Amino acid sequence: AQTVTQSQPEMSVQEAETVTLSCTYDTSESDYYLFWYKQPPSRQMILVIRQEAYKQQNATENRFSVNFQKAAKSFSLKISDSQLGDAAMYFCAYRSLYGITGNQFYFGTGTSLTVIP
Amino acid sequence: GAGVSQSPSNKVTEKGKDVELRCDPISGHTALYWYRQSLGQGLEFLIYFQGNSAPDKSGLPSDRFSAERTGGSVSTLTIQRTQQEDSAVYLCASSLRVPGQGATDTQYFGPGTRLTVL
Repeated sequence: AQTVTQSQPEMSVQEAETVTLSCTYDTSESDYYLFWYKQPPSRQMILVIRQEAYKQQNATENRFSVNFQKAAKSFSLKISDSQLGDAAMYFCAYRSLYGITGNQFYFGTGTSLTVIP
Repeated sequence: GAGVSQSPSNKVTEKGKDVELRCDPISGHTALYWYRQSLGQGLEFLIYFQGNSAPDKSGLPSDRFSAERTGGSVSTLTIQRTQQEDSAVYLCASSLRVPGQGATDTQYFGPGTRLTVL
């Protein structure tokens, strides 16, 4: 089964600074998706960014970018120019592309990000 | 509404009672997922509905858990004879997943129902 590991339970960053959240995963599949989700206190999971494993180019969404290292099975999230609204729990997730396992995400245990004014 | 809605927002129940949690997906979304998020944990897949196909129940933790989706829209997750370990946030998500095109859909999550079993 696929596993996703987030080794940083908590992180903090000064407002306007840059922070990187780490994620590693274990899989024997070659095609899959990786995600970063943000969960604010409202509990609603919000998709931050998505990466297709077959793409070598790292995904970016405004201030959010990833460093995808397929061989190392690493998928880190970089938040630039951090804002107070970025404070939340961040989850890394893996999803198979096909088959019954494509019905579900495998989530890490999350990283709680605090943004210091 | 424009997003996925869930009710109730919070539910407190006594051990041994049955509970029903409701999910209203985004209109037109064919796929619906239920997840459980225990304290300090990531999301745990419970069940997946796709159109009129038989649901994927592989994530349900015990036979006390069941779910149905009526008319391809609203879904209800039922937990019978609740136990304290059932206490968690239950999240629902929906998507426009097209059968046969793999797991390329983007899931949109509701705000969840926080269940507390005393």
